[in-house]
Amino acid sequence: AQKITQTQPGMFVQEKEAVTLDCTYDTSDQSYGLFWYKQPSSGEMIFLIYQGSYDEQNATEGRYSLNFQKARKSANLVISASQLGDSAMYFCAMRGVGYGNKLVFGAGTILRVKS
Amino acid sequence: DAGVIQSPRHEVTEMGQEVTLRCKPISGHDYLFWYRQTMMRGLELLIYFNNNVPIDDSGMPEDRFSAKMPNASFSTLKIQPSEPRDSAVYFCASSLVRTGWNTEAFFGQGTRLTVV
Repeated sequence: AQKITQTQPGMFVQEKEAVTLDCTYDTSDQSYGLFWYKQPSSGEMIFLIYQGSYDEQNATEGRYSLNFQKARKSANLVISASQLGDSAMYFCAMRGVGYGNKLVFGAGTILRVKS
Repeated sequence: DAGVIQSPRHEVTEMGQEVTLRCKPISGHDYLFWYRQTMMRGLELLIYFNNNVPIDDSGMPEDRFSAKMPNASFSTLKIQPSEPRDSAVYFCASSLVRTGWNTEAFFGQGTRLTVV
C-alpha cells in the first residue's frame, strides 16, 4: 500500500529563516509523483511543488524546494526566507501508477512563523 | 477556467436527514477525488473516479455514503442518513493525469458540513 508519514505535528520558525518539513513515504511502485500542498487558515488547498520518482534533480519553485532522497524514501519540503504568510498547514502527498493514480496525503505539519 | 466548484459551501442539517454535496471538476480533467477532512483523522480519501468510473471506494466509511459521477462535469457525494460524526469539511479535487506526471490535483473550496 501507499503511505505518507509526516512526523512533525507542529513547527516554529523565525521570520526570514529557512525551515524543513519532513515527509517519508512507502510504496512498492517504481513510477510515482510526490506533491506538497499548503492549507492556510482560510481552508483552501494550494499546490506548491512536485517531484517525480525519475527526476534526478530536486524540484524548486521560488522559495520552495524539495529535498528528494529516493533511497531513503524521503521528500522533505524546504522553505527559505520564511514569511509570516507561510504560517499554515502543509501536506505531503503521493500518487503511484501501480496504485491506480490514487492520491494519498500525510497527516500534515502546522508551521508557525514568528516575527 | 473557474476551477473546481463545490456546492454548497456550508451545510447544516439535522441528524437523519439526507445530504448531497456537489462538485464540478475542471473541464477536461480525467480524475476526480473526494476527501473528508477532520481534526481527528486528517485528510481522508473517500473515493475517486477515472473517466467517470469509480476506481476505489475503500475509503467510504460505511453504506450511508455513496458517490456518483454521471458525466465528466459533475459528481455528487451523498450521505443518507446523516449523523453528527459526519461533520467535517468535504473536498473535491480534479486532476489531468493522462498528459503526464507533473500534474497536480486542483481542489475546490470545500463544503463544511455540520450535522446536529
